[in-house]
Amino acid sequence: AQKVTQAQTEISVVEKEDVTLDCVYETRDTTYYLFWYKQPPSGELVFLIRRNSFDEQNEISGRYSWNFQKSTSSFNFTITASQVVDSAVYFCALSYYGQNFVFGPGTRLSVLP
Amino acid sequence: KAGVTQTPRYLIKTRGQQVTLSCSPISGHRSVSWYQQTPGQGLQFLFEYFSETQRNKGNFPGRFSGRQFSNSRSEMNVSTLELGDSALYLCASNRAGGRDTGELFFGEGSRLTVL
Repeated sequence: AQKVTQAQTEISVVEKEDVTLDCVYETRDTTYYLFWYKQPPSGELVFLIRRNSFDEQNEISGRYSWNFQKSTSSFNFTITASQVVDSAVYFCALSYYGQNFVFGPGTRLSVLP
Repeated sequence: KAGVTQTPRYLIKTRGQQVTLSCSPISGHRSVSWYQQTPGQGLQFLFEYFSETQRNKGNFPGRFSGRQFSNSRSEMNVSTLELGDSALYLCASNRAGGRDTGELFFGEGSRLTVL
């Protein structure tokens, strides 16, 4: 069975601090996809990144970076120099071959001014 | 390019009633999925439709049903509403079709309150 765990339920940081959101997944498939989504108060989930299981390269996009490690089944997300606008619930998700996605429980990030 | 559109955005129903929610996917996307989001259970998968056929189904009772039309628009229906059905119902579309899993694009959701 596929499962996604986000152990951090809520995180609070002060603006400009760096913060890492953890994601651990379980799957027996060798080909799968990992995602991160952001859900601001408006409710709509916003896609942030997709990574397939064969691409373990870390990725950086502006203040966002992702660290994918198959050896530990983790796909962690770091926000550098956090801003108040980063306050949201962040979801990690797993999918394979276009089948239904499995989402983690989410981590609520509060960035305080 | 228009995003995923869900209607209505908010609705209030009473126990025992039924409700129909609508979702228009991004143009060209043939897969539509529905999710229920509650504070206690998080995001739970309801079902996915692809080319008018239900391709996957989550673990929800038969009161929850859906369909997809030839233009890829989708509806979901909940009959005999219960208090526990109060939730944000999210629709997502996906260009899927082959082995490559594209990302899901979500609508803003329909917030259902059951009194």
